Amino acid sequence: GAGVSQSPSNKVTEKGKDVELRCDPISGHTALYWYRQSLGQGLEFLIYFQGNSAPDKSGLPSDRFSAERTGGSVSTLTIQRTQQEDSAVYLCASSLDGTANTGELFFGEGSRLTVL
Amino acid sequence: AQTVTQSQPEMSVQEAETVTLSCTYDTSESDYYLFWYKQPPSRQMILVIRQEAYKQQNATENRFSVNFQKAAKSFSLKISDSQLGDAAMYFCAYRRNWYNAGNMLTFGGGTRLMVKP
Repeated sequence: GAGVSQSPSNKVTEKGKDVELRCDPISGHTALYWYRQSLGQGLEFLIYFQGNSAPDKSGLPSDRFSAERTGGSVSTLTIQRTQQEDSAVYLCASSLDGTANTGELFFGEGSRLTVL
Repeated sequence: AQTVTQSQPEMSVQEAETVTLSCTYDTSESDYYLFWYKQPPSRQMILVIRQEAYKQQNATENRFSVNFQKAAKSFSLKISDSQLGDAAMYFCAYRRNWYNAGNMLTFGGGTRLMVKP
């Protein structure tokens, strides 16, 4: 597609349920990133993919969070047993190549997760 | 670890006036990139301007320019002739310049810019 696409745009769930957030990067972009933005806060790095592998998972806040990327394209961020503190906007970004020094990330519009 | 600080949670400017948003960062590295991103209500982050640390000349993009002070680790954004469409959250971001380190950005906490008609 023309840009980074994320779904769902908004998700309301009950505490304890599992959720899946999807990111479809720009075609041809090999690097993909997940960030979390809590209300009124900056962006917190979660995980980075180069192709299908994740060289850096250091930002995942707990073992309830996992992410995968298949076919070097779509990525899914899964949150198990959601807690109220997981409520945030989850932003996905892609870049042409994580090894290059272009530095420009292209962001999607995010998935707003609300845990009741 | 690198940190990025934006000390102004909110700023206000009159339409057609000039406003400067502040950003400071902490790093022990000498080669890196700095960015300003804009986040309108649509939530999509949009790159405004980029500065390479090894370049002494300040970056400029139309009405947007930066004042990069490497020794002071300061990177402010100046918006000239402010327009209503400039109202948004602005984030300063840092990226290390390491090959194969990915393009992960470290973001500041953001500054909300309001533009008064």
